[in-house]
Amino acid sequence: EVQLVESGGGLVKPGGSLRLSCAASGFTFSSYSMNWVRQAPGKGLEWVSSISSSSSYIYYADSVKGRFTISRDNAKNSLYLQMNSLRAEDTAVYYCARDSVQGVVTPVGVWGQGTTVTVSS
Amino acid sequence: DIQMTQSPSSLSASVGDRVTITCRASQGISNYLAWYQQKPGKVPKLLIYAASTLQSGVPSRFSGSGSGTDFTLTISSLQPEDVATYYCQKYNSAPRSFGPGTKVDIK
Repeated sequence: EVQLVESGGGLVKPGGSLRLSCAASGFTFSSYSMNWVRQAPGKGLEWVSSISSSSSYIYYADSVKGRFTISRDNAKNSLYLQMNSLRAEDTAVYYCARDSVQGVVTPVGVWGQGTTVTVSS
Repeated sequence: DIQMTQSPSSLSASVGDRVTITCRASQGISNYLAWYQQKPGKVPKLLIYAASTLQSGVPSRFSGSGSGTDFTLTISSLQPEDVATYYCQKYNSAPRSFGPGTKVDIK
């Protein structure tokens, strides 16, 4: 069964840091591009970052560029999001998400259950 | 960056009604447009990709059309289980922006 399990969320003060992890199973992780998507309380979906299968291509939303870093470890079937200089507006559920098809341009087809990040003093 | 808009922001329709949601991109994106359904308290689900291709397992009452800048999602006969928020997303290049969403409920 294809599965994505996020961890690492929690309560952090403004200006603080947090590292999210996503453990993948049930598919060949190293063949797929991966993404982070977030959803603030009561708000819509916001794409945060994407990383290609071999980490050759990395992209960020303007809202997190320079503060967040996406990475992956294909040997550990894991995706990460290092979040620094956190702001109140970063408060959201963060979803780990896999592209639906490997090797081509496709939308997200598999979602984790999400991990909640709350930035508050 | 290309901006994605959706209309309406919410709608209420009766069971069996035909429902249409519109998504517009500020610049052409060919057919690199996906539609997602998010039911209350649940994870988003991919419904349609490449503007009009139904994802496996999605009921045939859902359909998509469009290319370039204007796209539509149609539910041919609204069912109670279709109560959800629907999002479009461009995925041809970064940023992979989502539309603001359309909330659908039953009248």
